[in-house]
Amino acid sequence: GQNIDQPTEMTATEGAIVQINCTYQTSGFNGLFWYQQHAGEAPTFLSYNVLDGLEEKGRFSSFLSRSKGYSYLLLKELQMKDSASYLCAPISGDYKLSFGAGTTVTVRA
Amino acid sequence: GAVVSQHPSRVICKSGTSVKIECRSLDFQATTMFWYRQFPKKSLMLMATSNEGSKATYEQGVEKDKFLINHASLTLSTLTVTSAHPEDSSFYICSATTGTSGYNEQFFGPGTRLTVL
Repeated sequence: GQNIDQPTEMTATEGAIVQINCTYQTSGFNGLFWYQQHAGEAPTFLSYNVLDGLEEKGRFSSFLSRSKGYSYLLLKELQMKDSASYLCAPISGDYKLSFGAGTTVTVRA
Repeated sequence: GAVVSQHPSRVICKSGTSVKIECRSLDFQATTMFWYRQFPKKSLMLMATSNEGSKATYEQGVEKDKFLINHASLTLSTLTVTSAHPEDSSFYICSATTGTSGYNEQFFGPGTRLTVL
């Protein structure tokens, strides 16, 4: 199987910035997705990285370092609706998606 | 954007019965569909990969006779949990992609909550 490590929980206040780190070990690598999942709902796509560097999309940015097996998701200007679980999902050499256990972010007023 | 639906959203059944879950891509043709299950506060675990017109590929540890998958058309895949038992209670999520592998973005259905009594 694949090893994916991300923190279990993070808490921040509204308007703040949160960085969710993810380290992974996969058999081969074909990119990495970040998904957002609200309780009882299906995951929704946030970002995709395949090259090293930072991809910015509005309030959300994602960074990848292939050599280090490391990615992070940066959430800026946190809003209450950002309270959710964030899933790191690398794609292995056989093009299968593996999911981390998710990081539950709680945004407080 | 691409929309994937699942039916039913919730199902409660008695132990020993079979349950069928449908996954449909509403506005695109899905070459490949994936089935996942998720336990509370756990990650999604890939159960099988389904390509239209061919047999599903199951992940290690997933019983193919227990979880029957049929991908009859480019817009429909079904998962049948046969002779369900309480330990099969879980959140089942399907996803669909226009590519032939997970390399392409997967669009997820809303999930089906199965409770086996």
